[in-house]
Amino acid sequence: EAGVAQSPRYKIIEKRQSVAFWCNPISGHATLYWYQQILGQGPKLLIQFQNNGVVDDSQLPKDRFSAERLKGVDSTLKIQPAKLEDSAVYLCASSLVGGVGTDTQYFGPGTRLTVL
Amino acid sequence: ILNVEQSPQSLHVQEGDSTNFTCSFPSSNFYALHWYRWETAKSPEALFVMTLNGDEKKKGRISATLNTKEGYSYLYIKGSQPEDSATYLCAFYNTDKLIFGTGTRLQVFP
Repeated sequence: EAGVAQSPRYKIIEKRQSVAFWCNPISGHATLYWYQQILGQGPKLLIQFQNNGVVDDSQLPKDRFSAERLKGVDSTLKIQPAKLEDSAVYLCASSLVGGVGTDTQYFGPGTRLTVL
Repeated sequence: ILNVEQSPQSLHVQEGDSTNFTCSFPSSNFYALHWYRWETAKSPEALFVMTLNGDEKKKGRISATLNTKEGYSYLYIKGSQPEDSATYLCAFYNTDKLIFGTGTRLQVFP
C-alpha cells in the first residue's frame, strides 16, 4: 500500500514570497490533516478535511494560509506572503475515518520550509 | 490550554541498553493516546494507539503502558539498537484532534 506522498521535500524562500505544498493521501482515506512542526515543538494541527469539507481550521492563520482538498483526494496548502516564523516542517497525514480517537493517522515525510 | 509533556527531551544510550520515556497528559476526558516514532528524513510512523487504563502494548522490543487515572504513559525499549535512534512522539486525543508532545529524541550509539 502506498503511503502519504508530499512534495516538495525542501523549500527555501524569502519573506513575503508565496509557497505551496502538495499532499496525496492514502487511497480511500476520508480524512486529511495538515500539521506545522516548528523546531523544538510538537506538530500542531492547522487544518482537517473530511472528504473535501473542512472540519477544523481553528489554528490556521487565515490571513496568510489557505488550503483546499480537490475532489476529496489531493490537497494543497499555500502560504502567501510567508513570514520568518513560518519556517517549519509541514506534515500531511491521512486517516481512514477521522473524528475517532482510535483512528490512526498516517504521515507523509513532510516539507521542510525555510523562510529567509 | 491542554498540555502534553514528554521527558526527557533527549537521551543518549549505548547499544544494548534498555531505556524508557514518559508522556504526561490531562487525566480528565481521556479518549486515546498515540505513540509515534519519527526517524530523521522519514515519515512519522505509528507505534501504538492506547485507550484503556492499564493497557499494555508491545511491538518487537518496544512496549508501552498507560495510566489514564494519573495521566501518564511510558514507552520502553529493551536492548536498544542504533536503528532505534529517532524522535518518539506521544499525542493525546482531545475530543476532536491530536495534541502532540514535543518528543523525546533518542540516540543509540554502537
